Amino acid sequence: GAGVSQSPRYKVAKRGQDVALRCDPISGHVSLFWYQQALGQGPEFLTYFQNEAQLDKSGLPSDRFFAERPEGSVSTLKIQRTQQEDSAVYLCASSSTGVLNQPQHFGDGTRLSIL
Amino acid sequence: SQQGEEDPQALSIQEGENATMNCSYKTSINNLQWYRQNSGRGLVHLILIRSNEREKHSGRLRVTLDTSKKSSSLLITASRAADTASYFCATGHVNNDMRFGAGTRLTVKP
Repeated sequence: GAGVSQSPRYKVAKRGQDVALRCDPISGHVSLFWYQQALGQGPEFLTYFQNEAQLDKSGLPSDRFFAERPEGSVSTLKIQRTQQEDSAVYLCASSSTGVLNQPQHFGDGTRLSIL
Repeated sequence: SQQGEEDPQALSIQEGENATMNCSYKTSINNLQWYRQNSGRGLVHLILIRSNEREKHSGRLRVTLDTSKKSSSLLITASRAADTASYFCATGHVNNDMRFGAGTRLTVKP
């Protein structure tokens, strides 16, 4: 498809397990963003890539969160030693330009539940 | 942290009525965007208004921006049941990318 694709759509993990969430942005899009969305809230910024460079990771809540985009296309968000407060929807978005504050195209998210 | 604050938190109207949602923010912006999110889906970009613009239209959508009051409004005219969704404003700032508000949940009853 032509949109942003995220997998898995749903992930259930036990507290303490590591999880990896994948994002396939729109082909050729320079910028890639990860957001965390709690129930009934707006998306909270986590991190931002321009091509393979992670330019802003100020939103990552702890050092258990790690994101990478090694070849400037697919990105993975990894959460180590998951905690119950990590339960949320994780949204990925991409943008065709490297300029900040431009329209973003979102995937449908991964709903993560930590038991 | 979230920058924009939408008002009201929830809005319920009849099909055919107009819906108005407001967004207030605290610090200077480069632009402001509105997004829609259907339940269980990602956000869809609706419209972008720059800080030097006062009003923009797109189909049944009308967005206004008042930088002196640090506020924006989204008007949906002649609403339809398919407009039922959450609507978010996102403020774009000089050195940071967009920050979203908590959203307005719109219900349009057929």
